[in-house]
Amino acid sequence: EAGVAQSPRYKIIEKRQSVAFWCNPISGHATLYWYQQILGQGPKLLIQFQNNGVVDDSQLPKDRFSAERLKGVDSTLKIQPAKLEDSAVYLCASSHPGNTIYFGEGSWLTVV
Amino acid sequence: DAKTTQPPSMDCAEGRAANLPCNHSTISGNEYVYWYRQIHSQGPQYIIHGLKNNETNEMASLIITEDRKSSTLILPHATLRDTAVYYCIVENTDKLIFGTGTRLQVFP
Repeated sequence: EAGVAQSPRYKIIEKRQSVAFWCNPISGHATLYWYQQILGQGPKLLIQFQNNGVVDDSQLPKDRFSAERLKGVDSTLKIQPAKLEDSAVYLCASSHPGNTIYFGEGSWLTVV
Repeated sequence: DAKTTQPPSMDCAEGRAANLPCNHSTISGNEYVYWYRQIHSQGPQYIIHGLKNNETNEMASLIITEDRKSSTLILPHATLRDTAVYYCIVENTDKLIFGTGTRLQVFP
């Protein structure tokens, strides 16, 4: 079974530029998560989708971050404009509701 | 906020058992205890989870105290590849809220 796919793996941008990350969850998984992990810290939940609806986006900085899952499968996380403190690993995860959550390898963002 | 407390770091000799403790004194009756680990530059990897009973799989064993206020993850024969950050998480409403975990260093 294929795992959670993420791209790009690495991205370097200048501050105030925009960036987008893509996630393809495990086939059939209705729940999709985006986490942000700053170096030396545990992952922090940004947003949780159930199919194409948002379940929880209370920790998403909505002035610059947006996420969508239009067809209930793939998802995109966008940052615009980026700040230096957005440098982090962005992790996508998926699950069947109530079941084990599986993570992708992450997208590493460096803002300079 | 994370509902668990873990030591920041531990060492273990290769081939010995690694016992990683976790306190979760405010756990609710329907909340599971999950363990994940994260090897450098990779995403978190699921290890094991449990509700009340002890659990064992091919990777590890999970021992949960009777009052459910603490648990221990046991890696029976640690290898160098087990060097990672180990996260103990109390799962709540399909969300994983991570703390800072325990950095386990396995040495030869």
